[in-house]
Amino acid sequence: GAVVSQHPSRVICKSGTSVKIECRSLDFQATTMFWYRQFPKKSLMLMATSNEGSKATYEQGVEKDKFLINHASLTLSTLTVTSAHPEDSSFYICSARWGRYGYTFGSGTRLTVV
Amino acid sequence: GQQLNQSPQSMFIQEGEDVSMNCTSSSIFNTWLWYKQDPGEGPVLLIALYKAGELTSNGRLTAQFGITRKDSFLNISASIPSDVGIYFCAGPRDNYGQNFVFGPGTRLSVLP
Repeated sequence: GAVVSQHPSRVICKSGTSVKIECRSLDFQATTMFWYRQFPKKSLMLMATSNEGSKATYEQGVEKDKFLINHASLTLSTLTVTSAHPEDSSFYICSARWGRYGYTFGSGTRLTVV
Repeated sequence: GQQLNQSPQSMFIQEGEDVSMNCTSSSIFNTWLWYKQDPGEGPVLLIALYKAGELTSNGRLTAQFGITRKDSFLNISASIPSDVGIYFCAGPRDNYGQNFVFGPGTRLSVLP
């Protein structure tokens, strides 16, 4: 149980375009999901907390107009990287909370902006 | 804010050897989580610890919640090639456990 599916696993886009990443909880309802960014050989950096039915909470330094988060249902949160630039290239990972302290992660999305 | 440190940053071991790594915090935690991340994948939860002094095993993995509540340890016995990856510790950022802060990770390489 507690499976999180993240798509796509890899995406290459042109500079200036937007990319949407989906995070789905397959067998449980996730009122809260989290979006992380991971640079090569670095740890996970929390970008934002996505709450179903309300606005996301962004961490300091994360541009909310650049990284749009929508959590319209209890099983789906999306992260849209708008007007992507090469410096947005990274590994993006979502996670969903289940139970008291259970967190399960998606398999990640490697974004390359060319 | 809360910060986690992990030691060692990386390690190279021979297959069959035991591995020890630790995680220390600048503040007291009431939960410790240990994750493993394979290349190109999301982290997978290995062990969760909820009480100071707790010792929990998951197969060849054993983790302990330090009695000071500011540290935790992860041991892997009889390492095998598939143990290769990055091991992250994590602790709650607040008292509600809404989200977690991650350590910088220990990168493990297993030599055949």
